[in-house]
Amino acid sequence: DGGITQSPKYLFRKEGQNVTLSCEQNLNHDAMYWYRQDPGQGLRLIYYSQIVNDFQKGDIAEGYSVSREKKESFPLTVTSAQKNPTAFYLCASSMREGNTEAFFGQGTRLTVV
Amino acid sequence: DAKTTQPTSMDCAEGRAANLPCNHSTISGNEYVYWYRQIHSQGPQYIIHGLKNNETNEMASLIITEDRKSSTLILPHATLRDTAVYYCIVRVVHNNDMRFGAGTRLTVKP
Repeated sequence: DGGITQSPKYLFRKEGQNVTLSCEQNLNHDAMYWYRQDPGQGLRLIYYSQIVNDFQKGDIAEGYSVSREKKESFPLTVTSAQKNPTAFYLCASSMREGNTEAFFGQGTRLTVV
Repeated sequence: DAKTTQPTSMDCAEGRAANLPCNHSTISGNEYVYWYRQIHSQGPQYIIHGLKNNETNEMASLIITEDRKSSTLILPHATLRDTAVYYCIVRVVHNNDMRFGAGTRLTVKP
């Protein structure tokens, strides 16, 4: 089935460690996004990418890094520089052109202890 | 700054229409209005979008004012399963900068 997959669903890490969240899509979408969501809050844009080998910072990019080496994949690394990394992380993808909707993964809940 | 403004929360009786408002007073001519909803701890789900004409699909109707400064999402017969956070966003077709606000938490009550 076509879709967007985030893994793992739950992730635990020790403070000070970098951690990479996976996001893969087989929808042939050019654009991909990463969002962070804190309890009771809306989605905040971390990074987005409109095409392979290109990405742009969102509103809260500090402490995060991304890569876009393949169209299907847009991994997010939460670095030790991110002061409050515990959150729910959502990945999305969409067509680059045209007025089409975005599709979201089911999220990764990261807990740093 | 958020490009849309929505009420923080709303209640609706089961079986009645839910009307969710959104203000987007600074919308540009090439920006679409999109609605998504997020059921607890899941990824957001697309509902509907429009440019200036009213739109309807199997999930909802979207009414956009003539000046395009506001819109209303209508769920014609709300069910308990429609309890969710509803997000209204504006998005330029050829720019994939897609930002969400805090949304409206809709609670459908029996």
